[in-house]
Amino acid sequence: AQSVTQLDSQVPVFEEAPVELRCNYSSSVSVYLFWYVQYPNQGLQLLLKYLSGSTLVKGINGFEAEFNKSQTSFHLRKPSVHISDTAEYFCAVSVTQGGKLIFGQGTELSVKP
Amino acid sequence: AAGVIQSPRHLIKEKRETATLKCYPIPRHDTVYWYQQGPGQDPQFLISFYEKMQSDKGSIPDRFSAQQFSDYHSELNMSSLELGDSALYFCASSPAYIRGQETQYFGPGTRLLVL
Repeated sequence: AQSVTQLDSQVPVFEEAPVELRCNYSSSVSVYLFWYVQYPNQGLQLLLKYLSGSTLVKGINGFEAEFNKSQTSFHLRKPSVHISDTAEYFCAVSVTQGGKLIFGQGTELSVKP
Repeated sequence: AAGVIQSPRHLIKEKRETATLKCYPIPRHDTVYWYQQGPGQDPQFLISFYEKMQSDKGSIPDRFSAQQFSDYHSELNMSSLELGDSALYFCASSPAYIRGQETQYFGPGTRLLVL
């Protein structure tokens, strides 16, 4: 079975500071990896995804993530955050093309002025 | 661009009542997924459909059923509602079996409150 662990439930950070949201996964087979963002009272929006190829993937809103197969990690980073980045961030995996997503517990990013 | 449409957006029901949630996928998406997100929880997969056939099943209670229709929209039917069914229900769609297009696009969700 697959599982996803987001190591930090809450990450407070000041505006314009860099941030890293950590995600580790467990799977005996290859996976597809995703980061979604959920703003308050809204649905899930895709930030970025890793399907294959380059291990560094760039997404929307200046976010990027690096797939590390040996560490089974897919950490999300942004060099300079804005107040508007305050949201819940979910890391997710699927093991088959078109398969269900398995989500981590979420990380609440709180950006303070 | 068109997005996934869910209706209703909010629903209040009493215990033991029934509810029907509807999902309209992005045009040309043939796969629909349902997820349940309890308060403060991560989304949990319930069920999915590909070309109107059930393709996978997760932790969906027997009181719930779902189907995908010929126009690809899907409905989640929930009977004998319990307080614990109060949650945000997401529908997602994808053109799942086109390589490189595995991304699931989520709707805004239906917030169900059972009193």
